[in-house]
Amino acid sequence: KNEVEQSPQNLTAQEGEFITINCSYSVGISALHWLQQHPGGGIVSLFMLSSGKKKHGRLIATINIQEKHSSLHITASHPRDSAVYICAAPDNYGQNFVFGPGTRLSVLP
Amino acid sequence: GAVVSQHPSWVICKSGTSVKIECRSLDFQATTMFWYRQFPKQSLMLMATSNEGSKATYEQGVEKDKFLINHASLTLSTLTVTSAHPEDSSFYICSARVWTGELFFGEGSRLTVL
Repeated sequence: KNEVEQSPQNLTAQEGEFITINCSYSVGISALHWLQQHPGGGIVSLFMLSSGKKKHGRLIATINIQEKHSSLHITASHPRDSAVYICAAPDNYGQNFVFGPGTRLSVLP
Repeated sequence: GAVVSQHPSWVICKSGTSVKIECRSLDFQATTMFWYRQFPKQSLMLMATSNEGSKATYEQGVEKDKFLINHASLTLSTLTVTSAHPEDSSFYICSARVWTGELFFGEGSRLTVL
């Protein structure tokens, strides 16, 4: 079974800080997802990436397939970025997804 | 991006009643939909995988007679919590996977059973 870990579990930052959230998984995968869950519960898919780097606005996601590691970076963080960030990787069969425990981010004004 | 609509967003019901939650893909066809349950401050727990026109595949420990899943069309999957009890109170969320592998999530449904 693919094991997905994230660090840190909780993160508090000041507005404007550069933030990095890490994700590691145990079984080789084709693609990894980064998700954002707002306090109300709704989930937004931020990235699906299989190699290299993707950028969307102030968000950057990178993945190293060989090292089974991915990072999510937020530049110039803002209080509205406060949310739980979750990485998800396919399970061993590639049919379902295994979710990391999430990183709870709070950005203070 | 693609939109998945989940309804209702919250529901309160009496113990013993059944509750139906709908998950609808608004502008795309979803061959596969997933249903998750989430407890406070915990990650998503997959309950079942639903493929259009076939029976849902339930994860170990999830009672299929308790949580009825129907995926009658490429745009609609429903989860019915039958004979709900207070321990069924939780946040339920669906997602749809498109052919590219991308996942899109509903807004979630918060169920409270009194």
